[in-house]
Amino acid sequence: DGGITQSPKYLFRKEGQNVTLSCEQNLNHDAMYWYRQDPGQGLRLIYYSQIVNDFQKGDIAEGYSVSREKKESFPLTVTSAQKNPTAFYLCASSTRQGGNPYEQYFGPGTRLTVT
Amino acid sequence: AQTVTQSQPEMSVQEAETVTLSCTYDTSESDYYLFWYKQPPSRQMILVIRQEAYKQQNATENRFSVNFQKAAKSFSLKISDSQLGDAAMYFCADRSRDGGATNKLIFGTGTLLAVQP
Repeated sequence: DGGITQSPKYLFRKEGQNVTLSCEQNLNHDAMYWYRQDPGQGLRLIYYSQIVNDFQKGDIAEGYSVSREKKESFPLTVTSAQKNPTAFYLCASSTRQGGNPYEQYFGPGTRLTVT
Repeated sequence: AQTVTQSQPEMSVQEAETVTLSCTYDTSESDYYLFWYKQPPSRQMILVIRQEAYKQQNATENRFSVNFQKAAKSFSLKISDSQLGDAAMYFCADRSRDGGATNKLIFGTGTLLAVQP
């Protein structure tokens, strides 16, 4: 079955440590996205990538970094510079050709807790 | 900047009854898409329904339908014959082209729907 996987489901880190969240998709989608979800704030876009080796900052990119070396993978690093990293992180992807390019498919999410 | 507003933080409905969730949006684009996503307690985001702005007919998916009022920039979701499995957070979203090249989704803050047996 095609889909998006995120691992791990729960992640715990000490303050001051960088942590990388995994996102893999086998939908052959070109575009991938990272969102942050906090209570009462909906989903906010962190970074997005339209094609391999290219990505753009979203609305809340400070303290985060990404890479897009493979079409299937879009890992997100939460750096120690992110002031409030504890949140639920969602990865999504969408096609750019055929289908509906505006419909995003989501992974199951990773809950990151930093203490 | 585009915004999406969901003015109802929480709603409740009796099983088998009908409920309407409100959403308003603000976009300057002429070609846009609107979505309703459902997020159950598992937190998996699931697309419920999609509306293309150029279509006058309201979208329908089984028990879910929308009331798309383009002039008023309103996009409400109606759930008929509510079931216990409909209990979830519902997000309204608007596709943004962010200057032309990008398909971003702008999300509202969500409405938490409770279904009473």
